Amino acid sequence: DAKTTQPNSMESNEEEPVHLPCNHSTISGTDYIHWYRQLPSQGPEYVIHGLTSNVNNRMASLAIAEDRKSSTLILHRATLRDAAVYYCILRGWLGGANRDDKIIFGKGTRLHILP
Amino acid sequence: NAGVMQNPRHLVRRRGQEARLRCSPMKGHSHVYWYRQLPEEGLKFMVYLQKENIIDESGMPKERFSAEFPKEGPSILRIQQVVRGDSAAYFCASSRVEGDGYTFGSGTRLTVV
Repeated sequence: DAKTTQPNSMESNEEEPVHLPCNHSTISGTDYIHWYRQLPSQGPEYVIHGLTSNVNNRMASLAIAEDRKSSTLILHRATLRDAAVYYCILRGWLGGANRDDKIIFGKGTRLHILP
Repeated sequence: NAGVMQNPRHLVRRRGQEARLRCSPMKGHSHVYWYRQLPEEGLKFMVYLQKENIIDESGMPKERFSAEFPKEGPSILRIQQVVRGDSAAYFCASSRVEGDGYTFGSGTRLTVV
């Protein structure tokens, strides 16, 4: 998996939107951008993923830059339960030359939600 | 539809004993992954298995650690002759096919005393 860069930590107020940035300047054309999060004392959980177009689901939105060298995970209205470590991960398309399927976690961004 | 089930949730072992961690993947999932998380550190990949096959064990320590995913039953991560440095949270994840998102279990917290 190619490398991503995220801020170590961020703070946000409850009930406000949160924008979590991720830089991936070495992304290849077939890399998907995945986001996972890990709540305290729990296993990671899948949040969202995308390739080129922006994506929305019930948990969050993913905004992908036109050159794909960065992306932003958007929590539209943060709650205290969104306090977690958020991981931005690149996964290669398995139809390409690289069939490495395992997810490699970096340090992620620790999101603090202020009541 | 139960998620990934790991047991036990907490395991205490004395130095030199064996630890066996179990993981039952989600129904219909045939790919299993094990990760280790040391206190205040990130998740480190250990091993990727499919039924009866080890696909990638590049993250497994060379000694004392082994993993299996038999045709029937859960995946087992086995740690022989545990040492204090093995104390960590061990997470298992499963996926239906290659490239799918992972579903993680709640982990087994191993404490070696």
